Amino acid sequence: EDKVVQSPLSLVVHEGDTVTLNCSYEVTNFRSLLWYKQEKKAPTFLFMLTSSGIEKKSGRLSSILDKKELFSILNITATQTGDSAVYLCAVRVYGQNFVFGPGTRLSVLP
Amino acid sequence: GAVVSQHPSRVICKSGTSVKIECRSLDFQATTMFWYRQFPKQSLMLMATSNEGSKATYEQGVEKDKFLINHASLTLSTLTVTSAHPEDSSFYICSALLGNTEAFFGQGTRLTVV
Repeated sequence: EDKVVQSPLSLVVHEGDTVTLNCSYEVTNFRSLLWYKQEKKAPTFLFMLTSSGIEKKSGRLSSILDKKELFSILNITATQTGDSAVYLCAVRVYGQNFVFGPGTRLSVLP
Repeated sequence: GAVVSQHPSRVICKSGTSVKIECRSLDFQATTMFWYRQFPKQSLMLMATSNEGSKATYEQGVEKDKFLINHASLTLSTLTVTSAHPEDSSFYICSALLGNTEAFFGQGTRLTVV
């Protein structure tokens, strides 16, 4: 059975801290890994990763994929209160849909 | 990024009535759309995969006669909750597949059945 695991499930930090969110997966026929940010409503797309070792960056957020060890990390530097959200990791497999992890709930305190 | 519009964002209905939720890809064509349900503080649970011009594929445990999905065009999929009950109250989210790789989400619909 395809599975996506995220850790930690919950994290509380202070503004300015750097955080690393983890996503590991066990799937057949891996196609891509995606990160989403979910605040009060639906998830918003952050990154899609398909190749190992290539870092994707967007402002203070960055992500990288390791297809050999079957995991990805999402880094957020200089966190702000607006970064508080649930971060979802999803894996797309060939011929099927997306398998979502449980999410990491990040709280950034002022 | 691509835009997916979901409507309505919030709906309250009486038990026994039906509710239709629309999911539109505004600036791209989507042959595949997904419908999810999300309970409070939980991750997304896939209900069904909707393919344009064909029948939807439902996940195990999801009643296809209760959750009717229609994907009549490349930009519109609809989910109809039939004979709604209070236990159907939930947050329903759609996503549309762009280029067969990336998926973008609608804003979600909070359904409350009273």
